[in-house]
Amino acid sequence: SYEVTQPPSVSVSSGQTASITCSGDKLGERFASWYQQKPGQSPVLVIYQDTKRPSGIPERFSGSNSGNTATLTISGTQALDEADYYCQAWDSSTPYVFGAGTKVTVL
Amino acid sequence: EVELVESGGGLVQPGGSLRLSCAASGFTFNKFWMHWVRQVPGKGLVWVSRIDSDGTNTRYADSVKGRFTISRDNAKNTLHLHMSSLRAEDTAVYFCARGGTGGYYFDYWGQGILVPVSS
Repeated sequence: SYEVTQPPSVSVSSGQTASITCSGDKLGERFASWYQQKPGQSPVLVIYQDTKRPSGIPERFSGSNSGNTATLTISGTQALDEADYYCQAWDSSTPYVFGAGTKVTVL
Repeated sequence: EVELVESGGGLVQPGGSLRLSCAASGFTFNKFWMHWVRQVPGKGLVWVSRIDSDGTNTRYADSVKGRFTISRDNAKNTLHLHMSSLRAEDTAVYFCARGGTGGYYFDYWGQGILVPVSS
């Protein structure tokens, strides 16, 4: 079955750029999506189809996907961006695969 | 405004059954695939099941295949998940989620409902 891997944690200073990676075999040939989840809340879609941002999601969130790695970038990180972030890919056999999540801490 | 509201959760014994429901509003329900995703408290998200817009095509994670059944009532804008032969490892918060355009992601999520499986 297909798997994607994320780092368990990322720390970033307030106002700086956070990059969260998601790795999987030929992930760049599949669509990657990203979800933000704060404690006690439901996940929120922040990036879909690699680079698209849903309405209402701040422009500081961006995505890329190439080769074996998808990346979620948060520019000018704010304290309210502190959350768990999950990448998700689609695979014909699995078919919806989530990474284990990355906890983003804003220092 | 899209809203998804789950109901039907609660403590169930191992081997027991439970039916979850998800009431949808704010969008044309019969035009979207719908999903169930679960999350063990403190752990990650795991996709459980999917149903297409008219209910004719379903798919399941291997861990629940043969025990869980997803269905929908488009007249009532409601999604269901019937769970049987429940195990302790099915204990989780269950979210209903709307499938995004193209079917590759989830664009709206419910608030989730806890299903503890324990004797």
